[in-house]
Amino acid sequence: SQQGEEDPQALSIQEGENATMNCSYKTSINNLQWYRQNSGRGLVHLILIRSNEREKHSGRLRVTLDTSKKSSSLLITASRAADTASYFCATAPPGANSKLTFGKGITLSVRP
Amino acid sequence: GAVVSQHPSRVICKSGTSVKIECRSLDFQATTMFWYRQFPKKSLMLMATSNEGSKATYEQGVEKDKFLINHASLTLSTLTVTSAHPEDSSFYICSADSGGNTGELFFGEGSRLTVL
Repeated sequence: SQQGEEDPQALSIQEGENATMNCSYKTSINNLQWYRQNSGRGLVHLILIRSNEREKHSGRLRVTLDTSKKSSSLLITASRAADTASYFCATAPPGANSKLTFGKGITLSVRP
Repeated sequence: GAVVSQHPSRVICKSGTSVKIECRSLDFQATTMFWYRQFPKKSLMLMATSNEGSKATYEQGVEKDKFLINHASLTLSTLTVTSAHPEDSSFYICSADSGGNTGELFFGEGSRLTVL
């Protein structure tokens, strides 16, 4: 069953703008992670936020987690054309923090 | 960061043949590896969890006799698609857990299987 649901499904922005992507999930989690995938390639881990954390930063990335609403957001600031990719949120259940369930993904296009 | 190598990156085979895909952790030992399948513009679907030295645990709806998984060492897991059919054409991706209890997984580059 689909755990993570991202929105929007597709996002197109201009270089330099910020990109905000949202993810909702349904069941309890140990952690929530965001991954990036370039077309036809594997996934690259971006950031992990644990269920007892509310916000985390890594470079131009900012992730928030609201466990009461079962939602998370990924903000990419000052976007670059190289940020063009698909972004997935993935959740790990309690007690199995590496068995991930992925959302459908968001396709981000950053226009130069 | 940790590196996971997946081979082959692309494979084309005839219907009815079997194809083996390898997933190797290059600079760490992976007690657990995961195999996913991804359809075009879709999410990753977990197929099975592969534990070194024991039988793989398959997700509901995944045929274990169709998708044979072997995890013979701490650095290698293989997925064999047996008697492949065109509907098995897909992008298969493996990931490895370094066991550091961080929850972070390291992914291979994926293998594009096309069955003619």
